[in-house]
Amino acid sequence: EVQILQSGGGLVQPGGSLRLSCEASGFKFINYAMAWVRQGPGTGLEWVSAISGDGKASYYADSVKGRFTISRDNSKNTLSLQMNSLRAEDTAKYYCARAPNLRHSLDHWGQGILVTVSS
Amino acid sequence: ETVMTQSPATLSLSPGERAALFCRAGQSVGINLAWYQHKPGQAPRLLIYGASARAADIPDRFSGSGSGTEFTLTISSLKSEDFAIYYCQQYDKWPWTFGQGTKVEIK
Repeated sequence: EVQILQSGGGLVQPGGSLRLSCEASGFKFINYAMAWVRQGPGTGLEWVSAISGDGKASYYADSVKGRFTISRDNSKNTLSLQMNSLRAEDTAKYYCARAPNLRHSLDHWGQGILVTVSS
Repeated sequence: ETVMTQSPATLSLSPGERAALFCRAGQSVGINLAWYQHKPGQAPRLLIYGASARAADIPDRFSGSGSGTEFTLTISSLKSEDFAIYYCQQYDKWPWTFGQGTKVEIK
């Protein structure tokens, strides 16, 4: 069974940093691209970042480029999102999701984790 | 950026009725289009990929059609568990983009 378990959310002050993680199981992690998608309060889904299975290619939304870094450790089946210079508008529920490749839809999602940026 | 526009914003229907949800892309995305169902407190669920292919374990009352810039998600006969928010997403061009969602609510 495919499982994606997320961790690392919480409350952080504007300008602060936070690292989100997700641990995958039930599939061959290196064979899949992974992505982060967020949903702000009262808003829809917003794609944040994606990374290829081998970790060599990564992409970012303009809203987070230069502040967020996506990475993966295929030996530990984990995906991470390092979030720096956080802003109030980064407050959202963050989802980790799997894609067969970077030209495919997101076929399995984690339960999401809340990030609140507030003083 | 490829802007995805969904209509209507809200669809008020009764169980058993047919639902048609629309998604328009600002430029052609071929068939690199997915539909997701999202319920409060749950993870989004993939329904359709490749514009018309049903994802695993998705009932056949859900169907997708379209290509290029115009896409449709049809739910042939609504069940109580289908009342949710539906999003389209293009994965043809970076950045990936989602529509703003269509809420299907009970009339």
